[in-house]
Order: sequence, then structure tokens, then C-alpha cells
Amino acid sequence: GQQVMQIPQYQHVQEGEDFTTYCNSSTTLSNIQWYKQRPGGHPVFLIQLVKSGEVKKQKRLTFQFGEAKKNSSLHITATQTTDVGTYFCAGSYGQNFVFGPGTRLSVLP
Amino acid sequence: KAGVTQTPRYLIKTRGQQVTLSCSPISGHRSVSWYQQTPGQGLQFLFEYFSETQRNKGNFPGRFSGRQFSNSRSEMNVSTLELGDSALYLCASTTSSGNYGYTFGSGTRLTVV
Repeated sequence: GQQVMQIPQYQHVQEGEDFTTYCNSSTTLSNIQWYKQRPGGHPVFLIQLVKSGEVKKQKRLTFQFGEAKKNSSLHITATQTTDVGTYFCAGSYGQNFVFGPGTRLSVLP
Repeated sequence: KAGVTQTPRYLIKTRGQQVTLSCSPISGHRSVSWYQQTPGQGLQFLFEYFSETQRNKGNFPGRFSGRQFSNSRSEMNVSTLELGDSALYLCASTTSSGNYGYTFGSGTRLTVV
């Protein structure tokens, strides 16, 4: 069935270091969304990418959608302790969105 | 505007019992999806309702069911509870297509003992 993979599963970084999480699908996606879930919280929508090769930025966060629309990445520049949480991608195959397993980010001060 | 409201926030049930969880979506959102979240399994999709009809369904046993009312409020029911059903149940609402992102509620933490 439709499946969205994410790597890495966990990432520990020192505050100030960069962080990247990757999302992959075996089939072409209509679009992709990214969410952040803080510890003890619920997922919060960050952004949606629709076009092939699309790049969007939100302050220190950079989101990319691959040319083939099968993969995406989220890059955080100079992480801060407030970036701690689990980052999920959710890929659309038409009508429904499939969530990836998430990447849990720890930031050491 | 008010967010997605889930009730109750916490619930403790005994094996074999049944439970009903409630979700009130954002006003104007007609799609409501339910997810089960456990530490080892991430976000597992249960089902989605749109205009009172189940539009999509995940791979969960028939013990898990749901419904949606005409005001878009949704309920999910789990019958014959098992220990493995202990999880955070999240509901998310969106517009018809989901293309503006899903808004999640704070969830219901279910513990089965």
C-alpha cells in the first residue's frame, strides 16, 4: 500500500548545529505536508508543498519537494532548544494523507 | 476561532469495556480524521469522515468504529477494549481536500487496565 518513510528516526544535535529530516515515497505524491509535535503536545501544521522542486522557507526552516515529487526534506539551520519535538511529513496520494513515522529531534544546550 | 476540541482528555477503562471519544472540529471543517498514536507506532490512521460518510479507513479491526453528525462533530467507539488499545487518540479536522493542513485536537489519552 501507500507508505511514507522518514529518516532518521532519531537525531540528537548540539544547539547551533543544523538538522535535516528526509521523507520518501515509492510512488508520486500529489503534495506533501510537514507537521511538528512538541513533547506532550499534538501535531501542528507547518507547511504544504505542491509543485515539483518547490522550496519554501520559514525563518530557520527550509522545506523542499523533490523534482519527481517522491521525496521531501526539512532542514533547520542553527537549531535551538525550542526546535525539540517530532517532525512528521504527510504525503497525499489523492484524497487522503499518509503520515510518515516521524523524526524525533533532541537539541542539547 | 476555536480549535479542535476532544473530550475527554484522559480515560481509564478496564479490558472488555467499550469507550466513546468525541471530537468537535473547527467551525466550517467538514472532514474529521482519527489517529492512534503510540510511542512505537507513530501516527496510525483510523478513519476519516466527511459529510457524515466514512471516506477513508485504515487497517484497524472492526472493534474500532466511528460516525459523524450533521454538525460535523465526530465520535469514535472502541468495543471490547484490549490492553494494546492504550494510546493517545487524536482527531484532526480540515476542509474537504485537506490542502490547507490538518488541525489536530489535544487528544484523548486512553489507558486500558
